[in-house]
Amino acid sequence: DAGVIQSPRHEVTEMGQEVTLRCKPISGHNSLFWYRQTMMRGLELLIYFNNNVPIDDSGMPEDRFSAKMPNASFSTLKIQPSEPRDSAVYFCASRMTGANTEAFFGQGTRLTVV
Amino acid sequence: SQQGEEDPQALSIQEGENATMNCSYKTSINNLQWYRQNSGRGLVHLILIRSNEREKHSGRLRVTLDTSKKSSSLLITASRAADTASYFCATDATGNQFYFGTGTSLTVIP
Repeated sequence: DAGVIQSPRHEVTEMGQEVTLRCKPISGHNSLFWYRQTMMRGLELLIYFNNNVPIDDSGMPEDRFSAKMPNASFSTLKIQPSEPRDSAVYFCASRMTGANTEAFFGQGTRLTVV
Repeated sequence: SQQGEEDPQALSIQEGENATMNCSYKTSINNLQWYRQNSGRGLVHLILIRSNEREKHSGRLRVTLDTSKKSSSLLITASRAADTASYFCATDATGNQFYFGTGTSLTVIP
């Protein structure tokens, strides 16, 4: 397996534009997590899915953020409209649901909103 | 952070020395895991310790867990320059939330 795949690796966009980040989890993994990493706030859990269903989105910062998982092999995180304070590295991770399993991370998407 | 804190925030040691970093967390857990992040990369899993375990070893890594104090420590023995990275603890909570601590930035000087 190629691991968790995120795209794009880098995204530079203007304030007010819509941004869509994509993630392909490892085949067979049924839990998927979206994290945001900044120097100020560290690694924040934004939302996680179990069997394609959003379980906890309490970490999503505001209504401008939305996430979907239409099937077991694809998830998106959308920011509309984007703001400079959304600049961060966004990570997707997946794992098998159940006790005592490790998470596998993608390489992240570095988002810069100017 | 959403779950806990790590200390120290930064640690600088000479090659060959041991490095110890600590993690405190807030809620009940199924297990606690440690991850490593090289600059600009994703996180990589190092070791997992279950809530009913007190100590675990893997190569040069030693992890302890004290659930009564809600704390864990990671010891890297005989450090190498290649160990330079950020280290994060992650708590696997009962609701399947997976929260990370604030991280420790380790620099090993050759």
